[in-house]
Amino acid sequence: GQNIDQPTEMTATEGAIVQINCTYQTSGFNGLFWYQQHAGEAPTFLSYNVLDGLEEKGRFSSFLSRSKGYSYLLLKELQMKDSASYLCVMNRDDKIIFGKGTRLHILP
Amino acid sequence: DAGITQSPRYKITETGRQVTLMCHQTWSHSYMFWYRQDLGHGLRLIYYSAAADITDKGEVPDGYVVSRSKTENFPLTLESATRSQTSVYFCASSGKTGGRDEQYFGPGTRLTVT
Repeated sequence: GQNIDQPTEMTATEGAIVQINCTYQTSGFNGLFWYQQHAGEAPTFLSYNVLDGLEEKGRFSSFLSRSKGYSYLLLKELQMKDSASYLCVMNRDDKIIFGKGTRLHILP
Repeated sequence: DAGITQSPRYKITETGRQVTLMCHQTWSHSYMFWYRQDLGHGLRLIYYSAAADITDKGEVPDGYVVSRSKTENFPLTLESATRSQTSVYFCASSGKTGGRDEQYFGPGTRLTVT
């Protein structure tokens, strides 16, 4: 993606907590999405942050710092079904720009 | 069925042939998008449409043509397929300004150009 950086792969253990970081270029920034994509399937929406701070949705939380150009997705109580790619997606000047995604592997 | 559908789900074609990928949504969403997804590149926007009869180029529009005569349909045509167009194609829709609303994705079309 254009100036969106996130780790290519991460591994975590079932039941644990994992944080997936994303940094982006702040010019034209309007908001940040996180999507989940299981292998061979379409992306599905997880969260959208516009303001600084943490937003929690069940086991998933998303954090944004606009001034630092930084976001993270926090997944708690990991389950095997959380094995997927997580896409950091920026709204830049009302255009959507996808990061390349972080492939998360969950070990039993 | 409600939602967003794509057809065909799988397609194999030869270099130089014309191919049309179909996308249909039942929510009357204003915005529709076409993406391609390739290893190492993530999702890249090909074309998008803000409403019927309004289309605009995305990041990688070369070799593709779109139309949107009806709100619910947004076909993508490869006028003369090339091997570099082998990819997974996703159609998506959203109800508000494309950048400020979640997008709903179709199941994808896996296209192979031989």
